[in-house]
Amino acid sequence: NAGVTQTPKFQVLKTGQSMTLQCAQDMNHEYMSWYRQDPGMGLRLIHYSVGAGITDQGEVPNGYNVSRSTTEDFPLRLLSAAPSQTSVYFCASSYRMNTEAFFGQGTRLTVV
Amino acid sequence: AQSVSQHNHHVILSEAASLELGCNYSYGGTVNLFWYVQYPGQHLQLLLKYFSGDPLVKGIKGFEAEFIKSKFSFNLRKPSVQWSDTAEYFCAVSDSWGKLQFGAGTQVVVTP
Repeated sequence: NAGVTQTPKFQVLKTGQSMTLQCAQDMNHEYMSWYRQDPGMGLRLIHYSVGAGITDQGEVPNGYNVSRSTTEDFPLRLLSAAPSQTSVYFCASSYRMNTEAFFGQGTRLTVV
Repeated sequence: AQSVSQHNHHVILSEAASLELGCNYSYGGTVNLFWYVQYPGQHLQLLLKYFSGDPLVKGIKGFEAEFIKSKFSFNLRKPSVQWSDTAEYFCAVSDSWGKLQFGAGTQVVVTP
């Protein structure tokens, strides 16, 4: 079972560059979300989606875009990377919004 | 604003000692409660969850948690820890509107 698959695992960007973090799930979950994890701050919700074609902002959406064209995929785009976006990013999916979340392996992003 | 508080940021204990991690939340209505664990270099995994029923919940690896509604608490316990329990532990709460809210996490180090 693949579960939630994130790519890449590591990435270094220069300030101002753009990139897309990929996330795919094979559990037919309607709800998907992106979090960033920073020391001492737990996981903070960036964007989420309750189904294909529907996305919404979470707690820390600035500087990030998302789209959900299929149930399986939920990419996260950094439009113009900033050092403040250095973090570990996790994608998660769940059957419903308030049920158990399954997490991907994470992407460690460094912006220099 | 809704919030999740974890009482300790760092806990160091010896093997065979008992562990209790505190978690309090500020949601006023029906909640779903979770404890996740993140082993070094890995993604978050579900330890246990509470939706309804018996407030004493048993999870994997000998962990349990007790939901005390009157205290808005969901404390995690393990009677005898092992070195392999070294990890970061996150409490998470969702209400009927959805979206998981995570605590800041507790880093637990178990010494041999």
